[in-house]
Amino acid sequence: GQQLNQSPQSMFIQEGEDVSMNCTSSSIFNTWLWYKQDPGEGPVLLIALYKAGELTSNGRLTAQFGITRKDSFLNISASIPSDVGIYFCAGDTHQFYFGTGTSLTVIP
Amino acid sequence: DTAVSQTPKYLVTQMGNDKSIKCEQNLGHDTMYWYKQDSKKFLKIMFSYNNKELIINETVPNRFSPKSPDKAHLNLHINSLELGDSAVYFCASSREGLTGELFFGEGSRLTVL
Repeated sequence: GQQLNQSPQSMFIQEGEDVSMNCTSSSIFNTWLWYKQDPGEGPVLLIALYKAGELTSNGRLTAQFGITRKDSFLNISASIPSDVGIYFCAGDTHQFYFGTGTSLTVIP
Repeated sequence: DTAVSQTPKYLVTQMGNDKSIKCEQNLGHDTMYWYKQDSKKFLKIMFSYNNKELIINETVPNRFSPKSPDKAHLNLHINSLELGDSAVYFCASSREGLTGELFFGEGSRLTVL
C-alpha cells in the first residue's frame, strides 16, 4: 500500500502557540486531505486540497499541497485547548491512504 | 440523524468466534469503506466498495469479508477471531469518484480475549 509519513509524531505546545506539521510520500496523489480525530470519535475532515501548489485556509488552519504532489503541510495558528487530538493527512489515488498521524497536546 | 452509524460501539469476544459489525450511511453516498485503526492509531484501509466493484487490500486476511445488502449498508464479518484482530474498526463513505471527503462513523472497538 501507499506510505504517507507524518512529522512530528507528537507535539506538546503551550496554548496560543502556532503549530506546523507535514506529510510526505514517495507517491503522487490526486487529492490531499487533512483530518482531525478526537478521542473516541472518527476522523473529521479539516481541509481538502485538489491542485498542486494550492494553499487553502479554514479559520486558524492553513494547508498547502506540494508542487510535486508528494507532500503537504498543515499549520494551526494561535492554538487553543480544543485543538488537542490526532491529525492525519490522507492521499487519494484510487483509494484513500492515511498518514501515520501527529498527536497534538495543547497545554493551557 | 447520524450520517454514518456503526454498531456495536464496543465488542468483546473470545478467540475463534465469528462476529459482525454493521454500518449504515444516510448520505446517499455510492462508496463505503472499512478501516482498521491499531493501537498506534495507524489507519489502514481494508475494503472499499460501491455497486460496481469491491476493492480489497491484499494484506487483509480472508477471514474478513464485507457484506453489502444495499447501497446504504456495508457490514464487516470476521471469522475465527484472533488476538491480533483487536482494534478499532471504522466505517466510512464518500461520493462516487473517490475524491473529496470521507465521512467516518464513530468506530467499533473490538477486543478479542
